[in-house]
Amino acid sequence: DTGVSQDPRHKITKRGQNVTFRCDPISEHNRLYWYRQTLGQGPEFLTYFQNEAQLEKSRLLSDRFSAERPKGSFSTLEIQRTEQGDSAMYLCASSLTGGTSYEQYFGPGTRLTVT
Amino acid sequence: QQPVQSPQAVILREGEDAVINCSSSKALYSVHWYRQKHGEAPVFLMILLKGGEQKGHDKISASFNEKKQQSSLYLTASQLSYSGTYFCGTETRSGNTGKLIFGQGTTLQVKP
Repeated sequence: DTGVSQDPRHKITKRGQNVTFRCDPISEHNRLYWYRQTLGQGPEFLTYFQNEAQLEKSRLLSDRFSAERPKGSFSTLEIQRTEQGDSAMYLCASSLTGGTSYEQYFGPGTRLTVT
Repeated sequence: QQPVQSPQAVILREGEDAVINCSSSKALYSVHWYRQKHGEAPVFLMILLKGGEQKGHDKISASFNEKKQQSSLYLTASQLSYSGTYFCGTETRSGNTGKLIFGQGTTLQVKP
C-alpha cells in the first residue's frame, strides 16, 4: 500500500505530557499538510510543508505545537504540555504540486485523547 | 472564512438524487470535495478550479460557479455506499498553496 500512513493510530496521554505523531506521505508527494478534526466538524488546517520548508502555520495554532519535515519525506507533529482541548483526530495529507490539479490524500489519522 | 454547506443532513432512499451546496464569502481559487465515513479518513472525490468547470465520475458530479463563489455536488441514483459526511474544502488564494478551509459537513444517509 503506497498511501499516506500515520503512527500511532491512537494515543492516550495525561494532561501536561508531550506527544509526537508521525506522518509518512505518498512517496513522490512534495507537499504535506497537517489538519485537526474534532467530532462533528470539518478538518481544520494547522500547517503545511513543501519539501522540507514549512510554508505556513495557522495563527490559531498555539506555540505548544511544532512540526518538522527534516528531509522532505516524513513529518512529525509535536504537542507540548498537552491540554484536554487538544483531544482530537490529527490528520495528515499529502499532494504533488505541478499540473492543473493537486489533490490531497489523507492518512488514517491519529486520535489523541488527553485525560 | 469557513464555507457554509447546506443542507446539514439529508436522508435518501436508494436510487434518489441529492445536491449538496458549498458557499463562500471569499473569492475562491478551487473547491475540493471529500467524503468521510465514520471513523475513517476523508476520501478525495474531485477538485474544481476557478473557471466554472464541471466535473464528474460515475454518478457523482460537481459544478463551480465562480461569480457566486459556490460549488454544488450532485449525487444521482444514490447507492448505500454513498452514505457518509461530505465536506467541501476551499482555497481562497491564487498561489496554489493547497491550504484548504473546510465546511462543517453534510451528513448523507442512504436507506435501502
